[in-house]
Amino acid sequence: ILNVEQSPQSLHVQEGDSTNFTCSFPSSNFYALHWYRWETAKSPEALFVMTLNGDEKKKGRISATLNTKEGYSYLYIKGSQPEDSATYLCAAETSGSRLTFGEGTQLTVNP
Amino acid sequence: SQTIHQWPATLVQPVGSPLSLECTVEGTSNPNLYWYRQAAGRGLQLLFYSVGIGQISSEVPQNLSASRPQDRQFILSSKKLLLSDSGFYLCAWSPGQGAETQYFGPGTRLLVL
Repeated sequence: ILNVEQSPQSLHVQEGDSTNFTCSFPSSNFYALHWYRWETAKSPEALFVMTLNGDEKKKGRISATLNTKEGYSYLYIKGSQPEDSATYLCAAETSGSRLTFGEGTQLTVNP
Repeated sequence: SQTIHQWPATLVQPVGSPLSLECTVEGTSNPNLYWYRQAAGRGLQLLFYSVGIGQISSEVPQNLSASRPQDRQFILSSKKLLLSDSGFYLCAWSPGQGAETQYFGPGTRLLVL
């Protein structure tokens, strides 16, 4: 069973602040790392899928980096907005398209 | 475009009763299909996944079972619900080629009393 850990568990920031959180995963048998955004009363929404060590992906004000050798990924949000409030999930994929999720980082952006 | 449906949206069931949750996908063929559960205060846990009709893999021993009677239909069942089966159940699909995004349905909130 993979152990995927996310930190912090929760985070409160002010509108306009930039923030980042961490996902750590076992580097052995690594296939891909997924980031999802999950708003209350909605389905998890895919943000990024990353496979290559050193990969960096960006979507608007959100970006992510990946280090497969040491087993971590960072998610960055630049200039947080209240609509960014959500739980951010990461998941490590091993062979067979099976995802093991972390417990998420709950972000609250105060206006 | 592809869409994924789940029903019911909410369910309240007594302990010991049976369960059937349904998930269907439209707009794609031969997807990988997944059932996840989020128990209270916990993360998303993979319960079952399927790479084709009749092919089911179980990730954790439990009181639940899954079936895939048609290419785009995935059913989660139980013969007798336990209190610990309460949670939020999500169905997801992916194109099935690895390192691909999984797309989630709207979920079913199950409360077992």
